Amino acid sequence: DTAVSQTPKYLVTQMGNDKSIKCEQNLGHDTMYWYKQDSKKFLKIMFSYNNKELIINETVPNRFSPKSPDKAHLNLHINSLELGDSAVYFCASSHRGFDTEAFFGQGTRLTVV
Amino acid sequence: DAKTTQPNSMESNEEEPVHLPCNHSTISGTDYIHWYRQLPSQGPEYVIHGLTSNVNNRMASLAIAEDRKSSTLILHRATLRDAAVYYCILTATYGNKLVFGAGTILRVKS
Repeated sequence: DTAVSQTPKYLVTQMGNDKSIKCEQNLGHDTMYWYKQDSKKFLKIMFSYNNKELIINETVPNRFSPKSPDKAHLNLHINSLELGDSAVYFCASSHRGFDTEAFFGQGTRLTVV
Repeated sequence: DAKTTQPNSMESNEEEPVHLPCNHSTISGTDYIHWYRQLPSQGPEYVIHGLTSNVNNRMASLAIAEDRKSSTLILHRATLRDAAVYYCILTATYGNKLVFGAGTILRVKS
């Protein structure tokens, strides 16, 4: 059983389109995250949800809208895709707290053409 | 804000121990020291974490300086599968989130 699973693994789309990436965790964690890793390989946090509530929003454009229907899911919807959105997006989950480990999904490679 | 400093890259021979250093001179009393690694084309993977005492698990050991201003991740016998980017992260300073730096690229030679 995969602890944190993301779909799709690869996504190629045209500029201006709207797309979604889904994330599910089966670990019973109460906190979920979205990270973006750009071409320079820097991992940056985008959002964090705790018990379905948004707790971190790191100056991400409004075109990005996370949605958490329940504690086990955190989906990322992106409107009006731009070339600069091309990156690998990682979902992660953990229990809330400074001494807990986070589990990451395998990533979704988004390519905007 | 407390942050970490790591060497850009390190190289090791297979089957030999590897010591990956991390400086965090402005660490706060509530910061846990976490290590993650990212293998090529994979998501980050938890390695180990600690607060004040040295820690061991099946993957690695974490040695924390007495003043907590530095720490060292120890891989006891490096294998080719350990080639990855290793990130040293403090978890209280930035709230409940992992802030990744550039990390250390570990290359393992056979």
